[in-house]
Amino acid sequence: AQSVAQPEDQVNVAEGNPLTVKCTYSVSGNPYLFWYVQYPNRGLQFLLKYITGDNLVKGSYGFEAEFNKSQTSFHLKKPSALVSDSALYFCAVRDLTGGGNKLTFGTGTQLKVEL
Amino acid sequence: DAGVIQSPRHEVTEMGQEVTLRCKPISGHNSLFWYRQTMMRGLELLIYFNNNVPIDDSGMPEDRFSAKMPNASFSTLKIQPSEPRDSAVYFCASSPTGPPYNEQFFGPGTRLTVL
Repeated sequence: AQSVAQPEDQVNVAEGNPLTVKCTYSVSGNPYLFWYVQYPNRGLQFLLKYITGDNLVKGSYGFEAEFNKSQTSFHLKKPSALVSDSALYFCAVRDLTGGGNKLTFGTGTQLKVEL
Repeated sequence: DAGVIQSPRHEVTEMGQEVTLRCKPISGHNSLFWYRQTMMRGLELLIYFNNNVPIDDSGMPEDRFSAKMPNASFSTLKIQPSEPRDSAVYFCASSPTGPPYNEQFFGPGTRLTVL
């Protein structure tokens, strides 16, 4: 079965510093990987996705993610964090079982950016 | 496009009452998903539909929960009878079918409180 793991429940970073939110995956076949963000009292919003090709994927709000096949990772990154980036971040993988149209989400990582 | 629309946004009810949550997916999207989010269990997929047909309902917690999609533009999630442990935020999401790398678009959620 396809799965993703987010090893950190919370990440704290100072504004202006680079941030990394970690995600590792376990899939059979080609991985289709996604990052979503959830702000308080809101639904999840799509940030970016990896399908194939370039290992560095650029997304919304200045975020990017690096696909690493040898380490089975898909870490989310941003060169300079903003306080407004504070939110809950979910990594997800496309589950190809049972019709192949659902996503399996990680447990989420709470990002806190402080002044 | 108005995005995924959910109603009501908030619902407070008493144990034993019937609760109906509603969702209007994005026009043209063929897949619809119902999720539940709680602090304890995180984000759980309850059921999803392709072309109005339920594909995977393995996440539906018990017979008290039922979901329908009578047409491409409307779905309901019903809980009867409701219990306090059903208190959660329920999200509806939709996506186009076709390529397996299509992202899902989430609604704002319905916050359900069962007293």
